[in-house]
Amino acid sequence: AQKITQTQPGMFVQEKEAVTLDCTYDTSDPSYGLFWYKQPSSGEMIFLIYQGSYDQQNATEGRYSLNFQKARKSANLVISASQLGDSAMYFCAMRFSNTGNQFYFGTGTSLTVIP
Amino acid sequence: DSGVTQTPKHLITATGQRVTLRCSPRSGDLSVYWYQQSLDQGLQFLIQYYNGEERAKGNILERFSAQQFPDLHSELNLSSLELGDSALYFCASSVEGGQVETQYFGPGTRLLVL
Repeated sequence: AQKITQTQPGMFVQEKEAVTLDCTYDTSDPSYGLFWYKQPSSGEMIFLIYQGSYDQQNATEGRYSLNFQKARKSANLVISASQLGDSAMYFCAMRFSNTGNQFYFGTGTSLTVIP
Repeated sequence: DSGVTQTPKHLITATGQRVTLRCSPRSGDLSVYWYQQSLDQGLQFLIQYYNGEERAKGNILERFSAQQFPDLHSELNLSSLELGDSALYFCASSVEGGQVETQYFGPGTRLLVL
């Protein structure tokens, strides 16, 4: 069975500092996609970054980067130079080739950026 | 703005009633997904349609049904509503529904069953 774990229910970070949000997963499927989404208090789900299981390099999108360690089955999101607007819930999600196209989501991490 | 639209934004109804949630995917996207987000269950995949055909089914109750129309918009029908159906319902879309494709989410419909 596929399983995604986000062990940090809540995190705090000082403005302008970097923060790492953890995500680990359990699958025997060699082919999968990893995604991170941001959900601000307004409720919408905003796509941040994607990493494929066969990608050789870690994905980066602006201030977001993904620390992908395949052997450890972890895909941590790194946010650099945190801004007040980064305060939100962050969800790790995955798609697996052997379970169709549905997303499986972690339980989320609530990030608060402190001025 | 993801380009995915959902109506209505908020819906308040009573137990036993039936509601319809509507979703328009991004222009060019053929695949539509429905998700339910509740406090106790988190984000759960309900169902996926691709170009009018059901492609994948998740944790969707028998009281719920969905369809995708020729113009690619989709509707999620929730009937015999219970208090536990109160949740945020998301629609997402992607180009074809392949494994590596990103899904773009709409703003959600917040359903409250009283």
